[in-house]
Amino acid sequence: EAEVAQSPRYKITEKSQAVAFWCDPISGHATLYWYRQILGQGPELLVQFQDESVVDDSQLPKDRFSAERLKGVDSTLKIQPAELGDSAMYLCASSLDRFLTQYFGPGTRLLVL
Amino acid sequence: AQKITQTQPGMFVQEKEAVTLDCTYDTSDQSYGLFWYKQPSSGEMIFLIYQGSYDEQNATEGRYSLNFQKARKSANLVISASQLGDSAMYFCAMREGEWATSGTYKYIFGTGTRLKVLA
Repeated sequence: EAEVAQSPRYKITEKSQAVAFWCDPISGHATLYWYRQILGQGPELLVQFQDESVVDDSQLPKDRFSAERLKGVDSTLKIQPAELGDSAMYLCASSLDRFLTQYFGPGTRLLVL
Repeated sequence: AQKITQTQPGMFVQEKEAVTLDCTYDTSDQSYGLFWYKQPSSGEMIFLIYQGSYDEQNATEGRYSLNFQKARKSANLVISASQLGDSAMYFCAMREGEWATSGTYKYIFGTGTRLKVLA
C-alpha cells in the first residue's frame, strides 16, 4: 500500500539552529501539504503545493520558515532559526488533487531546547 | 468563531458498544467537504471517512458512519462495535473554499476528541 514518507521521525535541536524536514508523497499525488500540530491541538496548515507551485502559504511564518517542492515530487520544510515555540509535530500529507482526500505521513516530532 | 468545533475533549466507551463523536462546523460556502481522521499515539493521521456537502446519503465505511445534518451544520462520527484498537484521538476536518473564486481550498481541523475503549 502506498504511503507518505517523512524523515526524520524525531528531531531534537537547540534554539537558533537550522532544521529541515523531508516528505515524499504518494506517487502521482499532485497536491502536497505541510501541517504543524502543537500538542493537544489539531493540525494547522502551513503550506500547500500543487505540483511545484505554492498555492497557499498564508499561515507559514515566512521570516523563519521556508518550503520547496522543486520537481513537484518530494518536498522540504526548513526552519531557520528554530525557536522554542516551534516544538511540535510536523505532518506532511498528499492528495491526488487539491479537493480530494489527504493521506498523511507518520510525522516528524521536533523538540527545540 | 471556531470553524470546526469538537465539544468532547474525551470519551469512554465499552468494547463492542457504539459511540458518537460530535462535530459542528461553520462555513458560508455551498460546496465543502467534511473528513474524520484517527490519530493513534504513534502520531500518524489515518483517514476514516468523507462526506461532501452535496451528498444526500450519509457516508459509511465499514464500522464508521457519518451522521450528516446539513441544516444543523453537524457531522458526527459513529463508530459501531467499538474495539480496543479504536482508542485514539479523532479529528473532524473541513475543506472549504471555491477554487474558481479563491484559487485554493482551505483545510481546517478541530481540536479533537480522545476516545478510550474499555475492555
